Amino acid sequence: DSGVTQTPKHLITATGQRVTLRCSPRSGDLSVYWYQQSLDQGLQFLIQYYNGEERAKGNILERFSAQQFPDLHSELNLSSLELGDSALYFCASTSGVRDHRTSGSNEQFFGPGTRLTVL
Amino acid sequence: KNEVEQSPQNLTAQEGEFITINCSYSVGISALHWLQQHPGGGIVSLFMLSSGKKKHGRLIATINIQEKHSSLHITASHPRDSAVYICAVRAGNNRKLIWGLGTSLAVNP
Repeated sequence: DSGVTQTPKHLITATGQRVTLRCSPRSGDLSVYWYQQSLDQGLQFLIQYYNGEERAKGNILERFSAQQFPDLHSELNLSSLELGDSALYFCASTSGVRDHRTSGSNEQFFGPGTRLTVL
Repeated sequence: KNEVEQSPQNLTAQEGEFITINCSYSVGISALHWLQQHPGGGIVSLFMLSSGKKKHGRLIATINIQEKHSSLHITASHPRDSAVYICAVRAGNNRKLIWGLGTSLAVNP
């Protein structure tokens, strides 16, 4: 158990709908990363938050957005869902409370993932 | 060309065999990660390396910074080692990880 929790585990919805995925980082971790893993593809970095602020953006679609709340949990919002959005969505958190500029090598701890199926 | 390349893409082994998975990268890095993704999708961090060698149980990870290459070794492989093994690097001071596509390992009894 990594200490990172994600809900829900599975989500089935229809095209055009909107869903929210939730992630709680390990206790004490300030950084949360979101990743998308589609069938037969590697992990794609979506976005990173550090202590409530967006820190880095990857291949995140405009239909997707995220935020990190004061209690450090994060939500990934996916809207106007398309069939191609079906994937595993992982969040990860990094250990320690040091400033992110000096913690570039922090190990990432992954949540169990949310499997999204868009029908 | 991907900045992180893994080989082989797929690997089948018999129980007890010594297994090596390779990762080559083309950027300067501050750290390299090896992760394991189970058939159900869950991801576990195995190692984080910036130099030398680390060992945990039957798993050994090595990195050669000059050659920009890392290897993950599994000794006395077991069917429960069947998983996808993923290499990822953190380039310089970049906060993001650059991911390899993974090596799918199947260990047969």
